[in-house]
Amino acid sequence: DAGVIQSPRHEVTEMGQEVTLRCKPISGHDYLFWYRQTMMRGLELLIYFNNNVPIDDSGMPEDRFSAKMPNASFSTLKIQPSEPRDSAVYFCASSRSTGSNQPQHFGDGTRLSIL
Amino acid sequence: QQQVKQSPQSLIVQKGGIPIINCAYENTAFDYFPWYQQFPGKGPALLIAIRPDVSEKKEGRFTISFNKSAKQFSLHIMDSQPGDSATYFCAATTLGNTPLVFGKGTRLSVIA
Repeated sequence: DAGVIQSPRHEVTEMGQEVTLRCKPISGHDYLFWYRQTMMRGLELLIYFNNNVPIDDSGMPEDRFSAKMPNASFSTLKIQPSEPRDSAVYFCASSRSTGSNQPQHFGDGTRLSIL
Repeated sequence: QQQVKQSPQSLIVQKGGIPIINCAYENTAFDYFPWYQQFPGKGPALLIAIRPDVSEKKEGRFTISFNKSAKQFSLHIMDSQPGDSATYFCAATTLGNTPLVFGKGTRLSVIA
């Protein structure tokens, strides 16, 4: 099992630039989650998908953030335009839908720095 | 979303000690309480989880104690080792594949 794969691992860009984070969930997982981790706020859920459909995006901070899941094996989180306060580690996680609570499997994250 | 309050923020113990991390929740609908462990540069990984129908669960050196009436649960690490140094997150959710609500994390350092 390859695990959840995120890219890039690190991104440094200037304020105002568009940033695209990518995620490949574990094959066979029907749920995909995007989180943001900061020292101040901990792990925050941004949005999650079920069978490629966005279910809850109430955690997306503002319209500058958008997420898509065009197919079962790929998702993107886009920030346009980026701001220094968006600097954080962004995690993608996936899980199965069947049965009782299934553990979420996290990728290793993308460390984003906006200068 | 209802919060899960976690304490302490950081913890330093000697090797062999028993660190205890505490969490409290408000939403009585929560019925699944996992703990995640995160090493630097890695994503969180499931460590152990408990349902409210039991008061304790052990897996190796890790034990969850659960107090339903007090709406509190805690993680105990027996015979702690330097390799246990990591950030630990408690979480809660309702049955089904709904999003986890995470505590803010506890950074544990086990010193030799």
